[in-house]
Amino acid sequence: QKEVEQNSGPLSVPEGAIASLNCTYSDRVSQSFFWYRQYSGKSPELIMSIYSNGDKEDGRFTAQLNKASQYVSLLIRDSQPSDSATYLCAVKQQAGTALIFGKGTTLSVSS
Amino acid sequence: EADIYQTPRYLVIGTGKKITLECSQTMGHDKMYWYQQDPGMELHLIHYSYGVNSTEKGDLSSESTVSRIRTEHFPLTLESARPSHTSQYLCASSESLPGQGNQPQHFGDGTRLSIL
Repeated sequence: QKEVEQNSGPLSVPEGAIASLNCTYSDRVSQSFFWYRQYSGKSPELIMSIYSNGDKEDGRFTAQLNKASQYVSLLIRDSQPSDSATYLCAVKQQAGTALIFGKGTTLSVSS
Repeated sequence: EADIYQTPRYLVIGTGKKITLECSQTMGHDKMYWYQQDPGMELHLIHYSYGVNSTEKGDLSSESTVSRIRTEHFPLTLESARPSHTSQYLCASSESLPGQGNQPQHFGDGTRLSIL
């Protein structure tokens, strides 16, 4: 069983719409959650981190965490073509361990 | 923001050669990682280190080896390259902040390796 699950997509949204990316994880003791953006041929870039239940907003990005449901999501408001990329969900189970990455969801924003 | 550097960015080399991929970070991070990623595929952790003289194998079996003699340097070596080693190799680092939870990993630009 994969420990971090994401829908591979592609998720297609029109420019200006809200893109919603979802991630579930299997280990209840997971403590830290991250969203990375990866453009084709490039390395992952950290865009959001979240550690406690609820919402965390940063510009057009909102991360949502629900530990009871083992679910973390990323909302992108006013989507732009430049947001087109693969979004990786990463989970750290406990202090000292490496991140566990999902396979990523490919987002395509059409103008 | 972490400054983490990988060299070379691209390497095309013949089968059987010994290869060392370099990774250095200037932030004093104690934790460093190597990932392997094929185009369009997921990241696989192949090695990690939590400090000098500490190295561990990751989730994906790899024929490569690593060393951590200095905090800032975490090179990856392939003793005899094969076409199956063709991939992108990504180095990352993170810091430990006591009492401040788990810090994110920051990635270098990667090395795209092609074995002929």
